[in-house]
Amino acid sequence: AQKITQTQPGMFVQEKEAVTLDCTYDTSDQSYGLFWYKQPSSGEMIFLIYQGSYDEQNATEGRYSLNFQKARKSANLVISASQLGDSAMYFCAMSDQGGSEKLVFGKGTKLTVNP
Amino acid sequence: DTAVSQTPKYLVTQMGNDKSIKCEQNLGHDTMYWYKQDSKKFLKIMFSYNNKELIINETVPNRFSPKSPDKAHLNLHINSLELGDSAVYFCASSQGPRTSGTYEQYFGPGTRLTVT
Repeated sequence: AQKITQTQPGMFVQEKEAVTLDCTYDTSDQSYGLFWYKQPSSGEMIFLIYQGSYDEQNATEGRYSLNFQKARKSANLVISASQLGDSAMYFCAMSDQGGSEKLVFGKGTKLTVNP
Repeated sequence: DTAVSQTPKYLVTQMGNDKSIKCEQNLGHDTMYWYKQDSKKFLKIMFSYNNKELIINETVPNRFSPKSPDKAHLNLHINSLELGDSAVYFCASSQGPRTSGTYEQYFGPGTRLTVT
């Protein structure tokens, strides 16, 4: 069964600094996808970034990058130049290609950006 | 234009009542989902439909019944509501599977259900 582990319940970062949010995963599948979502205090779930298990390069989307280390089964999210608006819950998730197409989520990390 | 919409946003009801949550997506996606987020913010899949056909039915009490009248709509009906059903329910949609896993899922704004 798939499992996502986010070991940091809360993280703090100074505005304009970079921060790394940790995510490790467990799966026996060879083909899978890894995702990060942001949930601000307003409650909506915002898709940030995707990494496929066969992608050789780390995914990047603006200030977000995904540090994918397949052998270590980790998919850490790096946010560069943090902004106050980055304060939110961040969820790591994965999907397999077993036909279910569901996302399995981690417990989330609450990021607080300090001015 | 709202991509995935849900109604209502808030739902307060008493134990034993029956309620429905509606979801619509205008992204042209074939696959839609219902997720439940509990009080500890943990998100878990409940159901998914692909082009009106049920493809995921996790271990959810049969008081919960999804219905998809067409591929743009997926509603959730809950019978005999219990206190433990209080949560935020999210609808989502995606293009479906791809080479590695699935395409990203786009979520609705959520429906906060409170059962008293």
